[in-house]
Amino acid sequence: GQQVMQIPQYQHVQEGEDFTTYCNSSTTLSNIQWYKQRPGGHPVFLIQLVKSGEVKKQKRLTFQFGEAKKNSSLHITATQTTDVGTYFCAQGAQKLVFGQGTRLTINP
Amino acid sequence: GAVVSQHPSWVICKSGTSVKIECRSLDFQATTMFWYRQFPKQSLMLMATSNEGSKATYEQGVEKDKFLINHASLTLSTLTVTSAHPEDSSFYICSVSSGSKETQYFGPGTRLLVL
Repeated sequence: GQQVMQIPQYQHVQEGEDFTTYCNSSTTLSNIQWYKQRPGGHPVFLIQLVKSGEVKKQKRLTFQFGEAKKNSSLHITATQTTDVGTYFCAQGAQKLVFGQGTRLTINP
Repeated sequence: GAVVSQHPSWVICKSGTSVKIECRSLDFQATTMFWYRQFPKQSLMLMATSNEGSKATYEQGVEKDKFLINHASLTLSTLTVTSAHPEDSSFYICSVSSGSKETQYFGPGTRLLVL
């Protein structure tokens, strides 16, 4: 299946700072999904993007899908301690292929 | 979204024993369920697709005789790790796909530790 590369692997920020994680593919993606996994927990679906150039917002989270549908980003504005966890992008229909994840830690 | 449960949440067993993990879709009839494995600090890797009433489809590199999957009803899929060894210690997570949407809803996972 199509692979998605996700960077960075780790990110440590001060509470209140912004955070961004990126996913890239060498091929055009039909869709991109984002999941959050809290420490010790399971992945929780956040959002799905399907349209070229799509931008969606969920409170402090902004999700973008590139014009060429080969990359996507998740941006968190003014992080809070509740944002701690690993953020995964994933692509596919039914059978998901996950990126490597970005582990976000926050210094309160 | 769909509500998915898994049982047990934790398993510790001796090497050589078999372990059965249940995945239940509580509010949705799932013709298809998925089994993933996640090693510490790594991403999720799809192991197999569980199809109700038919054989599971395994991903490359996953031994079907070692990881037995049974999807006997629209709400239950089971994964049996046969003759478990320490290298099988991992976080096993199932998911269901809700209808025509491509989003998946994950169970809480089962942590397996093989001694």
